[in-house]
Amino acid sequence: KNEVEQSPQNLTAQEGEFITINCSYSVGISALHWLQQHPGGGIVSLFMLSSGKKKHGRLIATINIQEKHSSLHITASHPRDSAVYICAVRSQGGSEKLVFGKGTKLTVNP
Amino acid sequence: NAGVMQNPRHLVRRRGQEARLRCSPMKGHSHVYWYRQLPEEGLKFMVYLQKENIIDESGMPKERFSAEFPKEGPSILRIQQVVRGDSAAYFCASSPFKGNEKLFFGSGTQLSVL
Repeated sequence: KNEVEQSPQNLTAQEGEFITINCSYSVGISALHWLQQHPGGGIVSLFMLSSGKKKHGRLIATINIQEKHSSLHITASHPRDSAVYICAVRSQGGSEKLVFGKGTKLTVNP
Repeated sequence: NAGVMQNPRHLVRRRGQEARLRCSPMKGHSHVYWYRQLPEEGLKFMVYLQKENIIDESGMPKERFSAEFPKEGPSILRIQQVVRGDSAAYFCASSPFKGNEKLFFGSGTQLSVL
C-alpha cells in the first residue's frame, strides 16, 4: 500500500461542476502539499497545509490531521482546470522529503 | 525575476553515456530539490541540497547518480552510464527557506535513453 493514496484516479466533469479530489496518507506528517501538473508537464504548487483549510480563488483545500485525509475542491470548474492534481506529504521529524500520490487526472469538458 | 530554469528541456542519450541535467533556482533561493517522474508513475524525491551541501540523498539510486549545488552556478544532476530505465522526466524545485510553504518547479528535463 502506498503511503499516499489519491482518489479518484481519473475524473471527468462538465464545465461549472463542483470538483472534489481526495488524498489519504498513512504516516504522521508535518505538512501536505497540493500540486497541479499541466498537460505540458509544468508543475505549480497550489497549497501547503498543516491544519484546517485554505482558499485561493476557486480552489479550496482542507485537511483533517486525525483522519489523515485531505481534500481539494474546485468550484465552478472550467476547461482550463484540466490537469493532473497531485497530493504530497512531508513526514514529521524535520525531513524535507516529499512523498507523492500518483495524481488525479481531471478533465473538464465545455 | 526568472523562475526555476532547467536545461536542457529534452536530452537524448545512448546507453552507457553520461547525462548532465542543470537547474538554476530562482534568485535568492538556496534550497534545491530534484524529483524523478517515471512513465505512468508518480513523482519520486531524489535529493535535497543547499548551497555546497547535500542534505538528504535518500531517494538517489546508490550507483551512477550524483548531485551537486556549487557556490556559483546551477545545481547539476549527473547520471553516469545511463540505462533505458533512467528514461524519465526530471524536475527540479527551489525554495528560499527550509520547509517553505511554496515550492517553485522548473519545467523539467525529459531524458530519453536509446
